[in-house]
Amino acid sequence: QSALTQPDSVSGSPGQSITISCTGTSRDVGGYNYVSWYQQHPGKAPKLMIYDVSNRPSGVSNRFSGSKSGNTASLTISGLQSEDAADYYCSSYVSSNTYVFGSGTKVTVL
Amino acid sequence: EVQLVESGGVVVLPGGSLRLTCAASGFTLADTDMHWVRQAPGKGLEWVALISWDGDDTYYADSVRGRFTVSRDNSRNSLYLQMNNLKIEDTALYYCAKDGPGAYGLDYWGQGTPVTVSS
Repeated sequence: QSALTQPDSVSGSPGQSITISCTGTSRDVGGYNYVSWYQQHPGKAPKLMIYDVSNRPSGVSNRFSGSKSGNTASLTISGLQSEDAADYYCSSYVSSNTYVFGSGTKVTVL
Repeated sequence: EVQLVESGGVVVLPGGSLRLTCAASGFTLADTDMHWVRQAPGKGLEWVALISWDGDDTYYADSVRGRFTVSRDNSRNSLYLQMNNLKIEDTALYYCAKDGPGAYGLDYWGQGTPVTVSS
């Protein structure tokens, strides 16, 4: 159950779009459409942003979108805003009802 | 309003035991699977365990299997994590999280309870 690979940091200016990658294997990300994304501000609990690769929960801005190609899932934030500065984690079903999180990406709004 | 409130985190010696509790409100606990997730200080999230809605099925990360046991009492709206033979690397903030929409997404989280394993 090795952590999924994410870039340590991604940055962008307000209004720009950024994409965070989440790379796994055919045993996790590539094998199932069960990838979710979480936003975590310092000292706060994680918040679900995307589930099942590309679905947004009610209340989450449509500036957030998810996709997957092969063993890599991606989270795109469009129209970057200052409040988007946070840590982001992907997570995937692995097998036998076990799960794994990504290493996490710090998003900075310049 | 859905609320999850964890408790039970303390400082414990290596090899010791601890039971965490997650009190649920604002939804019917029996309707959903529940997870435990932890976060070591300054580190990322780590999935720990899953328990099915009725408690019949439990699953664990390799790092805790055989030492941790997840259970639930739906009549008391509570989820538990029994932690035995604790190791220094178990030091973390422990969150309970509710299984949400679709096949996989944790849609509500508690604020976490801190566990410190130290001599």
